[in-house]
Amino acid sequence: AQKVTQAQTEISVVEKEDVTLDCVYETRDTTYYLFWYKQPPSGELVFLIRRNSFDEQNEISGRYSWNFQKSTSSFNFTITASQVVDSAVYFCALTFSGGYNKLIFGAGTRLAVHP
Amino acid sequence: SAVISQKPSRDICQRGTSLTIQCQVDSQVTMMFWYRQQPGQSLTLIATANQGSEATYESGFVIDKFPISRPNLTFSTLTVSNMSPEDSSIYLCSVEDWDVAGGPYEQYFGPGTRLTVT
Repeated sequence: AQKVTQAQTEISVVEKEDVTLDCVYETRDTTYYLFWYKQPPSGELVFLIRRNSFDEQNEISGRYSWNFQKSTSSFNFTITASQVVDSAVYFCALTFSGGYNKLIFGAGTRLAVHP
Repeated sequence: SAVISQKPSRDICQRGTSLTIQCQVDSQVTMMFWYRQQPGQSLTLIATANQGSEATYESGFVIDKFPISRPNLTFSTLTVSNMSPEDSSIYLCSVEDWDVAGGPYEQYFGPGTRLTVT
């Protein structure tokens, strides 16, 4: 079965703190793709990153970084020096070969960054 | 990247009625997806719509309740039929853009249709 678990329902931090959002996935496929999306209060889904199962390099984009570890089936997302504008719900998602690219979403983590 | 628009952006409907949501993409795409996001919940795939064939529905979703049309490669509609308050959700359409290696590059989402059923 394919599954994405985001165990953190809500996280509250003060501005400038670093915060890590956890994502654990389950799949039997050897070829799969992991995504992170941001959903601000306005409701639209903003694509942040895609990672395929053959690329375990960590990625950094500005204040955002992602740590992909196949050994623990995790794809964690870290925001460095958080800002109020980072307040949103963040979703981790999985798609896999043979899944016709439909996304399986985790439950989401609501991040609140306070000034 | 694909630009997706949806109409209406929001609506308030009475139970027992139907609403058709439109999804327009600015480029031709093979596969379009319809997702539902119930209040405070994650996104769940309703169906996959390919041009020229019947939509493929996920478990728990049926064509009579959520009929889908896909008349061409840039447009799709989702109808929510015989609505009840439990259908109050955000409905989002999505398309994918493939990378040259044949894997999914990104899935783009429309802005969503916020539906409230009273």
